[in-house]
Amino acid sequence: DVKVTQSSRYLVKRTGEKVFLECVQDMDHENMFWYRQDPGLGLRLIYFSYDVKMKEKGDIPEGYSVSREKKERFSLILESASTNQTSMYLCASSGSAYEQYFGPGTRLTVT
Amino acid sequence: SQQGEEDPQALSIQEGENATMNCSYKTSINNLQWYRQNSGRGLVHLILIRSNEREKHSGRLRVTLDTSKKSSSLLITASRAADTASYFCATDGVDSSYKLIFGSGTRLLVRP
Repeated sequence: DVKVTQSSRYLVKRTGEKVFLECVQDMDHENMFWYRQDPGLGLRLIYFSYDVKMKEKGDIPEGYSVSREKKERFSLILESASTNQTSMYLCASSGSAYEQYFGPGTRLTVT
Repeated sequence: SQQGEEDPQALSIQEGENATMNCSYKTSINNLQWYRQNSGRGLVHLILIRSNEREKHSGRLRVTLDTSKKSSSLLITASRAADTASYFCATDGVDSSYKLIFGSGTRLLVRP
């Protein structure tokens, strides 16, 4: 079974802090994704990566950056956390078969 | 950008009844997928239907796709309390089957 893990289930950070969210997949998938999920807005794509060191902006990249130095790991970085970045963050990966496999999510609160 | 919109937003049924959820989207697709999300957890892939398919089954799940109406439906038969979750449709784009756009979901409550 594909396993996607995220470094934290719950995270509380202060405004202005730099925040790292880590995601690791164990199925050698080429594609990895970061979403945020907010009530009433569904899932919105922040960034995705289709290969090591390759990335593309999604629908809401502002205030975020990503890093993919190894195939199995995709990191989301909040350069300077703000309260409007309080959200559930979901990582996913996919191979050639299009379906995405999700991690359990990180609920981030920025105070 | 294209987006799947689910209908209804919320659905409450009795255990044993069937649950039907609908999804509409705006532009041409290669594939449409359905996912389930239990409260506070990640999404789980349920089923993928290709644009040249009209119906697909998986266990108690039945998915239909009508590309002329740009709509899909998910039917869960003989529902169980464990089916209580949010259900999302996700569409890809003709330029990329890997990048999905998710709808806002249907919250299903199955009462014991």
